[in-house]
Amino acid sequence: AQTVTQSQPEMSVQEAETVTLSCTYDTSESNYYLFWYKQPPSRQMILVIRQEAYKQQNATENRFSVNFQKAAKSFSLKISDSQLGDTAMYFCAFMTLQGAQKLVFGQGTRLTINP
Amino acid sequence: DAGVIQSPRHEVTEMGQEVTLRCKPISGHDYLFWYRQTMMRGLELLIYFNNNVPIDDSGMPEDRFSAKMPNASFSTLKIQPSEPRDSAVYFCASSLAWGMGNQPQHFGDGTRLSIL
Repeated sequence: AQTVTQSQPEMSVQEAETVTLSCTYDTSESNYYLFWYKQPPSRQMILVIRQEAYKQQNATENRFSVNFQKAAKSFSLKISDSQLGDTAMYFCAFMTLQGAQKLVFGQGTRLTINP
Repeated sequence: DAGVIQSPRHEVTEMGQEVTLRCKPISGHDYLFWYRQTMMRGLELLIYFNNNVPIDDSGMPEDRFSAKMPNASFSTLKIQPSEPRDSAVYFCASSLAWGMGNQPQHFGDGTRLSIL
């Protein structure tokens, strides 16, 4: 079974700084998808960014980018020029392409952006 | 599109009562998922449906939990009888079949359930 590990329960940075959230996963498959979801205090689950395992190029979405290291099974999220609105729980998630379309989530990292 | 719609947003009830959570997926989505979120266990998949058919219910914790999807636009998650340890946020999510534009799962706003 696949597992996802986020080793940083909490992080805190100053506004405008860059912050990197870590995520590692375990799988024997070669093709899969990885995601970062954001959950602000409003409780919504918002997709931030996704990465297809067969693509070598790291995904980017405006201030959000990933560092995908397939051999190391690592998938970190970098937030540049952090804003107060980035304060949220961030979840890393894995999805297999073999049969079931289930998301497996990490435990989350609580990120606080301080003014 | 209105997105995934869940109701109620909050539910407080006494132990032993029946609880029904409702979900309307995004129109046209083939898959529907029910998740539970707690501090101790994080986000767990309870059950998911494909074209209204339950595919995997291995995450359903006990026989007290049941889920149905009578049509493509409606699903329910029922707990009977409810217990305090069922207190959690329950999310519904829907998605197109993978490969259909590679769409990810879209989540509803969740139902916060408190069992007293």
